[in-house]
Amino acid sequence: KAGVTQTPRYLIKTRGQQVTLSCSPISGHRSVSWYQQTPGQGLQFLFEYFSETQRNKGNFPGRFSGRQFSNSRSEMNVSTLELGDSALYLCASRGQNPYEQYFGPGTRLTVT
Amino acid sequence: AQSVTQPDIHITVSEGASLELRCNYSYGATPYLFWYVQSPGQGLQLLLKYFSGDTLVQGIKGFEAEFKRSQSSFNLRKPSVHWSDAAEYFCAVGTTSGTYKYIFGTGTRLKVLA
Repeated sequence: KAGVTQTPRYLIKTRGQQVTLSCSPISGHRSVSWYQQTPGQGLQFLFEYFSETQRNKGNFPGRFSGRQFSNSRSEMNVSTLELGDSALYLCASRGQNPYEQYFGPGTRLTVT
Repeated sequence: AQSVTQPDIHITVSEGASLELRCNYSYGATPYLFWYVQSPGQGLQLLLKYFSGDTLVQGIKGFEAEFKRSQSSFNLRKPSVHWSDAAEYFCAVGTTSGTYKYIFGTGTRLKVLA
């Protein structure tokens, strides 16, 4: 089975712009979670989608949003980018076992 | 509050030496416990997991971890480290009540000396 894929792998944006990141889960997995990883804050949970519905949400401002499509692919959007949004954004998918999640390689976002 | 503590930010060991990475958690119920490894610029790879049963669990790449309820710990061990083990290691707790959530520790960066 192919693993979790994320596109793009690297992205450079300017403050104030918006960005959309994409995640394709492992085939058959219906849950997709997003995490932000920074050197200062570590891994922080953004949100989780299951069957096109947001199931969990972390403590991030409303500028961070997501959605999931009927094929389980998910997108994450960040509007009005700030310098502090520079991070590695990781996506993870889960299948039947809710405690086994598989991570993608991440998207490295740099905001200048 | 639920939390995961990895007290060692950096650890350096010589190749061939044994390794132990510490992880302590705070969680009201019996947790599900995980260790992940992250190589530079990569995502996280699951090394091993504990759900129940035998408190000593074996993982990939020769790693093992022991769950000690009395100490709220889940330390990762490897008898002989290889240079390719240099990476960052994350301990995580999966909540077992309500919604499924993961709480990650801040990570331990392992350096291996040749």
